[in-house]
Amino acid sequence: LAKTTQPISMDSYEGQEVNITCSHNNIATNDYITWYQQFPSQGPRFIIQGYKTKVTNEVASLFIPADRKSSTLSLPRVSLSDTAVYYCLVAPKKPGGSYIPTFGRGTSLIVHP
Amino acid sequence: EAQVTQNPRYLITVTGKKLTVTCSQNMNHEYMSWYRQDPGLGLRQIYYSMNVEVTDKGDVPEGYKVSRKEKRNFPLILESPSPNQTSLYFCASSERTGVLTFGAGSRLTVL
Repeated sequence: LAKTTQPISMDSYEGQEVNITCSHNNIATNDYITWYQQFPSQGPRFIIQGYKTKVTNEVASLFIPADRKSSTLSLPRVSLSDTAVYYCLVAPKKPGGSYIPTFGRGTSLIVHP
Repeated sequence: EAQVTQNPRYLITVTGKKLTVTCSQNMNHEYMSWYRQDPGLGLRQIYYSMNVEVTDKGDVPEGYKVSRKEKRNFPLILESPSPNQTSLYFCASSERTGVLTFGAGSRLTVL
């Protein structure tokens, strides 16, 4: 199972772009990279998922280099409401066999006024 | 609305008193799982189920049981709760895209 490493915490200011990088050196060929956002006392919420290159949706962008050993979640122009914990998850897209997606401790992002 | 519903949301109980936390999803997902979240430890998987009557242990299964008799339900059973099971519990389900949908959480306190 691919282990992920993220910074424990990050600080930013409103209106700035935030980039959170996740390392996953032993990612498998059939693994996808998924990012979740969690607010205190709430369940994690899906943000974005990708396999390679770049994926963009209305909330964020996900950049994945060719070797797929890392990925970067980019949040454009953050606001105070983006203060949350962000988890990088590497797991097979289609659950099968031993499926134990490991969340790790995530990155606590604090956005300041 | 597509959702995962957990009950109860909050529970205070005493050591040794059996309890069940229910989880139900209305998305016809095959995969369901239970996590516990403790300060500084992130989310740890307790049990998961790939389909009806198919369950398997996650990272921290000790002290817990699960069952999957129907596709939509995946209850978490604590036969004899202990204080170290005081935690915030999340149920999740997933379709074949692998994207997890989480419930709102159940905060359990064992005295």
